[in-house]
Amino acid sequence: NAGVMQNPRHLVRRRGQEARLRCSPMKGHSHVYWYRQLPEEGLKFMVYLQKENIIDESGMPKERFSAEFPKEGPSILRIQQVVRGDSAAYFCASSPLASTNTGELFFGEGSRLTVL
Amino acid sequence: DQQVKQNSPSLSVQEGRISILNCDYTNSMFDYFLWYKKYPAEGPTFLISISSIKDKNEDGRFTVFLNKSAKHLSLHIVPSQPGDSAVYFCAARSRDNFNKFYFGSGTKLNVKP
Repeated sequence: NAGVMQNPRHLVRRRGQEARLRCSPMKGHSHVYWYRQLPEEGLKFMVYLQKENIIDESGMPKERFSAEFPKEGPSILRIQQVVRGDSAAYFCASSPLASTNTGELFFGEGSRLTVL
Repeated sequence: DQQVKQNSPSLSVQEGRISILNCDYTNSMFDYFLWYKKYPAEGPTFLISISSIKDKNEDGRFTVFLNKSAKHLSLHIVPSQPGDSAVYFCAARSRDNFNKFYFGSGTKLNVKP
């Protein structure tokens, strides 16, 4: 199965620790998106990356959050000094092109972060 | 600022009947709309889409209707099946930013056997 792979599926952190979430896009896809779903809410755009470039980070909180998509390896969403409000499901999606005709994103199964 | 709204958090329908899920948007720059389906503990999967140049798109049991003047779209599922029970997200993309998809909060559909 060459779908979008996210790990870990579940991550528990204490307040003040760091969380690192990883995403490997579908084979052949060079565009990665990160979305966050808070309880009882929809998916909120965080950041869009291509290899080695952040294209749109308008949805990223100004502090403590960062994302990268290096030339080799998965995309990483990093949350420093986590707080309880960071508890959420974080979904990664990939696409082959930024402006495809279908506009379809392929989502991973998500990483659920719980901050104690 | 919620630019895509799904005002019904849940919907319950009898098997074989029609399910109608609604979605409203506020941004007149949106020109492409999608519906995603999500099962528990899984990521959303693409279901059907529609461009703003159309008012209807059909794929098997699923039909999406777009009313641009009302800034409203709906997803019809007929006949509904128990396997359709899931959370359905409406999403939209702006013509001035292909990068960002705006999602609604989802509607949980329960199809009763």
